[in-house]
Amino acid sequence: DQQVKQNSPSLSVQEGRISILNCDYTNSMFDYFLWYKKYPAEGPTFLISISSIKDKNEDGRFTVFLNKSAKHLSLHIVPSQPGDSAVYFCAARISGSARQLTFGSGTQLTVLP
Amino acid sequence: ETGVTQTPRHLVMGMTNKKSLKCEQHLGHNAMYWYKQSAKKPLELMFVYNFKEQTENNSVPSRFSPECPNSSHLFLHLHTLQPEDSALYLCASSQTGRSVSGNTIYFGEGSWLTVV
Repeated sequence: DQQVKQNSPSLSVQEGRISILNCDYTNSMFDYFLWYKKYPAEGPTFLISISSIKDKNEDGRFTVFLNKSAKHLSLHIVPSQPGDSAVYFCAARISGSARQLTFGSGTQLTVLP
Repeated sequence: ETGVTQTPRHLVMGMTNKKSLKCEQHLGHNAMYWYKQSAKKPLELMFVYNFKEQTENNSVPSRFSPECPNSSHLFLHLHTLQPEDSALYLCASSQTGRSVSGNTIYFGEGSWLTVV
């Protein structure tokens, strides 16, 4: 049973517009959430994170929103750039565990010039 | 330059071969991980090492054998693999601790494994 789900395997957005990537989770014990970005032939790189005590975290063009009641988080990229084209993984963790992350299956974002 | 380096980047092996994947982290972390990424599947955690001690084995078949000689190095020894084991194998590291917001995992670039 997948505890972290990214239901959209792919998303295409025009350059300059907003990209919204979604993630749902089922385990209410998760209290820390991360987004990773992965280019082909490279390992995932950390992008942005949010603790469950917050509902928003912003870093430049990237903003992550957390809705705990809906067990949903989203990553907004504004404005989207062609270099943002990559696979985006959502991940979640339970504090006090061995700090492993549970990952979603990823969403391929394509930003069209 | 990535703080986590993996070699080889690509490996093709027969089902009767024995090979090893190597990982080295230069970040001073004390936890290291092996993940497997198959096409269109979530990243699967395979093994976790904290301070050189294996703390988790996620029901990984014995044909995968990890080794962690020190906090900076991690190996994955491969023996009699199956074609379905073909995947991207990712090494990662993090700093363990009690803070909620810390412990971000940093990944290497991965080793693409093809079993023929």
